[in-house]
Amino acid sequence: GENVEQHPSTLSVQEGDSAVIKCTYSDSASNYFPWYKQELGKRPQLIIDIRSNVGEKKDQRIAVTLNKTAKHFSLHITETQPEDSAVYFCAAIGGTSYGKLTFGQGTILTVHP
Amino acid sequence: NAGVMQNPRHLVRRRGQEARLRCSPMKGHSHVYWYRQLPEEGLKFMVYLQKENIIDESGMPKERFSAEFPKEGPSILRIQQVVRGDSAAYFCASSPTAFEKLFFGSGTQLSVL
Repeated sequence: GENVEQHPSTLSVQEGDSAVIKCTYSDSASNYFPWYKQELGKRPQLIIDIRSNVGEKKDQRIAVTLNKTAKHFSLHITETQPEDSAVYFCAAIGGTSYGKLTFGQGTILTVHP
Repeated sequence: NAGVMQNPRHLVRRRGQEARLRCSPMKGHSHVYWYRQLPEEGLKFMVYLQKENIIDESGMPKERFSAEFPKEGPSILRIQQVVRGDSAAYFCASSPTAFEKLFFGSGTQLSVL
């Protein structure tokens, strides 16, 4: 089955800096890669996703890049703000359904004012 | 649109009791997924259901756990004879089709005493 590794486990940045979180996946058939943000005690919220036929996608301060050959994808947050502080999860899926996701272990992002 | 509704938000059970977790998907969504999140870990897929059908239960423990999504009413995740290791946050998610984005509910925090 699919295996997703996520790094780093914790990330601390100053407000205004950029943050990068990286994930690798094992199943070359995976074709959909969402990123979720989870604040303490709350639901995971989809912040951006990318399909395997696209190499990069951007939405305001958030971007995701995908390298299918190397089987890794990354989340980039620019001009970080304190409200970006949360746990971020990458995930991957291939084949049967976009709902059967394999999640990474999560990255605790702290943005210091 | 009220979003994915889960209840209860918190559930306390003693060892050996039964736990019933409910999930009403977003309006128009017929695909439901259950995930479990242990403390400080990522979400783990449990089961994928459509109305009256279990599509994929490969993530469900073989014993004590069952799920249903009847023609009328919410999806139910049932855990019989709970043990302390069942303590976790259980999230439900829904999507309109198998290949569209997941929307998560707020979760049920199960505590087993």
